[in-house]
Amino acid sequence: GESVGLHLPTLSVQEGDNSIINCAYSNSASDYFIWYKQESGKGPQFIIDIRSNMDKRQGQRVTVLLNKTVKHLSLQIAATQPGDSAVYFCAEMGNSGGSNYKLTFGKGTLLTVNP
Amino acid sequence: SQTIHQWPATLVQPVGSPLSLECTVEGTSNPNLYWYRQAAGRGLQLLFYSVGIGQISSEVPQNLSASRPQDRQFILSSKKLLLSDSGFYLCAWRSGGTTNEKLFFGSGTQLSVL
Repeated sequence: GESVGLHLPTLSVQEGDNSIINCAYSNSASDYFIWYKQESGKGPQFIIDIRSNMDKRQGQRVTVLLNKTVKHLSLQIAATQPGDSAVYFCAEMGNSGGSNYKLTFGKGTLLTVNP
Repeated sequence: SQTIHQWPATLVQPVGSPLSLECTVEGTSNPNLYWYRQAAGRGLQLLFYSVGIGQISSEVPQNLSASRPQDRQFILSSKKLLLSDSGFYLCAWRSGGTTNEKLFFGSGTQLSVL
């Protein structure tokens, strides 16, 4: 079935470095994508989203890139800080029928920032 | 502003006991409501979603059920818990009647079935 997955389950970076977390999706009908951050024992927290009519969107210290040709999504975090340590999930939503109500999540990537 | 409340935060229940987890949303009307489950170190699995009072869609066959007795209340239940029901349960909402809107999550309930 359709799924959203991540290339790397873990990522370890040095404080101050830039981080890149990747995500592949298989549902070509998906037109909305979100990145969430989840700290241990807490609910996922929204970071940034992007619609399929865009290929790049920037937030504060974060950038999401969308490549619809290869169905790839990435999250870039600039100047990574210890507080960025968490599990990061990509999620996708379709645009038709029942799929526009449902957000499908990838497996997640654990980001560890070393001081 | 909108807020979502989910309780309890942790719960330890014996096998075969009933379950009731409650989620309420404030500051919005007619939200879409969701229950997700997350196994330790894993992704989020959608269990149920609701687009209105009394309207429940189930995503996977399971030992759980959901109900939406009021517009901003979503309840997850079980008559008899199984060991496999253990996990981190998350309630979420988003604006109803729209597409491509992000979900906002509650703080989660850690359920341990022993």
